Amino acid sequence: DAGVTQSPTHLIKTRGQQVTLRCSPKSGHDTVSWYQQALGQGPQFIFQYYEEEERQRGNFPDRFSGHQFPNYSSELNVNALLLGDSALYLCASSLAQLYPSGANVLTFGAGSRLTVL
Amino acid sequence: AQSVTQPDIHITVSEGASLELRCNYSYGATPYLFWYVQSPGQGLQLLLKYFSGDTLVQGIKGFEAEFKRSQSSFNLRKPSVHWSDAAEYFCAVAPDTGTASKLTFGTGTRLQVTL
Repeated sequence: DAGVTQSPTHLIKTRGQQVTLRCSPKSGHDTVSWYQQALGQGPQFIFQYYEEEERQRGNFPDRFSGHQFPNYSSELNVNALLLGDSALYLCASSLAQLYPSGANVLTFGAGSRLTVL
Repeated sequence: AQSVTQPDIHITVSEGASLELRCNYSYGATPYLFWYVQSPGQGLQLLLKYFSGDTLVQGIKGFEAEFKRSQSSFNLRKPSVHWSDAAEYFCAVAPDTGTASKLTFGTGTRLQVTL
């Protein structure tokens, strides 16, 4: 049973460029969330997608956008890249159930490491 | 807003010694609490979670954590550390409503194990 898969694993971009990161959720999961983890920091919530719509959003600018497809996979897009966008981008999937169901615990992928030069 | 504090940035223990990683949270209601572990090049793996009930929770790999409401703490413990436990450990809190996705993480504690 495949877990959460992300691509690419590493990529390098220059300031001002745009990037797209991809995520396939764990089999059976229908919700995808994205986190940004800067070096030496804990992950920070970017947004969550469910039923192909953004449901929750963290404190990130509009340069960060996403999409969820009918097969539940997701993309994270970042426009006008800044040096500060360099980070590990983590995708997590879950089943959309309210707490305290244990089914909605997040399963994380290994991440996409983005370097902006 | 909820927040998580992990006061120890880096901890070194000898293999076979006991371990306690500290976590304090700030949240207005009863939180849902988690500990995750991250090895180099890996994603986050869930060690254990607290939703309600017994305040001592058991997790994978021999880890346990105790929820203490009076101290706003959720410390992670292991009686005997193995060299393979060297990793980064993150405490996280989720709101008690809605879905699980919006976790707030601490800054992490890096565990080094000496042989």
